[in-house]
Amino acid sequence: EAGVTQSPTHLIKTRGQQATLRCSPISGHTSVYWYQQALGLGLQFLLWYDEGEERNRGNFPPRFSGRQFPNYSSELNVNALELEDSALYLCASRGVSPTGATFLLFGSGTRLTVV
Amino acid sequence: GQSLEQPSEVTAVEGAIVQINCTYQTSGFYGLSWYQQHDGGAPTFLSYNALDGLEETGRFSSFLSRSDSYGYLLLQELQMKDSASYFCAVNPLDSNYQLIWGAGTKLIIKP
Repeated sequence: EAGVTQSPTHLIKTRGQQATLRCSPISGHTSVYWYQQALGLGLQFLLWYDEGEERNRGNFPPRFSGRQFPNYSSELNVNALELEDSALYLCASRGVSPTGATFLLFGSGTRLTVV
Repeated sequence: GQSLEQPSEVTAVEGAIVQINCTYQTSGFYGLSWYQQHDGGAPTFLSYNALDGLEETGRFSSFLSRSDSYGYLLLQELQMKDSASYFCAVNPLDSNYQLIWGAGTKLIIKP
């Protein structure tokens, strides 16, 4: 089965512009998690979508938003870009290991650079 | 608040054993996970401890002690390809897999 796919791989935007990032979860998986990883730091939870609805969001301003489509793919929008939004944005599905542990399966990410 | 602390960097020699520690402050969680991330790549799942004790997966083992608010990842027979950053993360009881992550430990392996 195909893994989590994200596009584009790299995105360069100017401060004040809007960025749109896309994610397709593992086929048949209804949940999508978005995380932000600033350079050299851990991951920060952004948004969780399930069955087309936003279920929870992390401690980010409203200019970070998104949606989930009927096919469970998802879009993350960042409006009024600021320099500190430069980061790796990761999308994930939930998986289950052979030992029964639930884990996150990440896409390769979108590297957003704001100049 | 909830937080996890890891050393920022650990250096070890190829073939040796290394332990990466993770101490945490959290009100409650389902389990402690470990992920590996190579430079420029995505985090990949390594191990999970729901209960206290040791979980072994090949060369990698992970340990959890809830009474000590402490866990670690043990890597044996180190290979150059193990050079990466390692993250611990917890799944809080009041969340639905919105993990809280440590800042990561960069493992440098020398020949």
